[in-house]
Amino acid sequence: RKEVEQDPGPFNVPEGATVAFNCTYSNSASQSFFWYRQDCRKEPKLLMSVYSSGNEDGRFTAQLNRASQYISLLIRDSKLSDSATYLCAVRNYGQNFVFGPGTRLSVLP
Amino acid sequence: DADVTQTPRNRITKTGKRIMLECSQTKGHDRMYWYRQDPGLGLRLIYYSFDVKDINKGEISDGYSVSRQAQAKFSLSLESAIPNQTALYFCATAALRDEQFFGPGTRLTVL
Repeated sequence: RKEVEQDPGPFNVPEGATVAFNCTYSNSASQSFFWYRQDCRKEPKLLMSVYSSGNEDGRFTAQLNRASQYISLLIRDSKLSDSATYLCAVRNYGQNFVFGPGTRLSVLP
Repeated sequence: DADVTQTPRNRITKTGKRIMLECSQTKGHDRMYWYRQDPGLGLRLIYYSFDVKDINKGEISDGYSVSRQAQAKFSLSLESAIPNQTALYFCATAALRDEQFFGPGTRLTVL
């Protein structure tokens, strides 16, 4: 079993739809959690950190459930420009980061 | 100017050749990482370094070596390249308890 797993995707949704991504991690000692966005052939870029109380940034909402060891990302009112691959990442006690395989999103006109 | 730079951005080489990928950062971070990314496999850690005198193997270090020449520079070498090392390579940096910042990537093809 991989340390970080994500919905396999791809997700194809119409503009304006709400889409949710899920990510599970196996290391209960994981300390920090992140969502990255990666455009095709580009580097991953931080979308948002995920805090224990949950956090929101505009149309994006991230949630963390430590007891169940999963992270979620919700995108509301999706735009064409949201099309990308979304990677979840965890930072472990040893300061290493482990990334999930990513879930590709295509927002269709 | 980019905070994390990688050179070269694209490289085609032949089996058995030695190749070096270079990474420089201006963020002042102590922690530097090398990953490779393959379709369907996500990002896999090759080596990481927490300071100039600290080098650690990652998940897939076989066939690779690294050098941390300075706080700002971290190089990845393939001593004898083989075709299954064809991939997209990313360098990343991080500060303590902070997220990672990635370079633009190097697309390596080994023929």
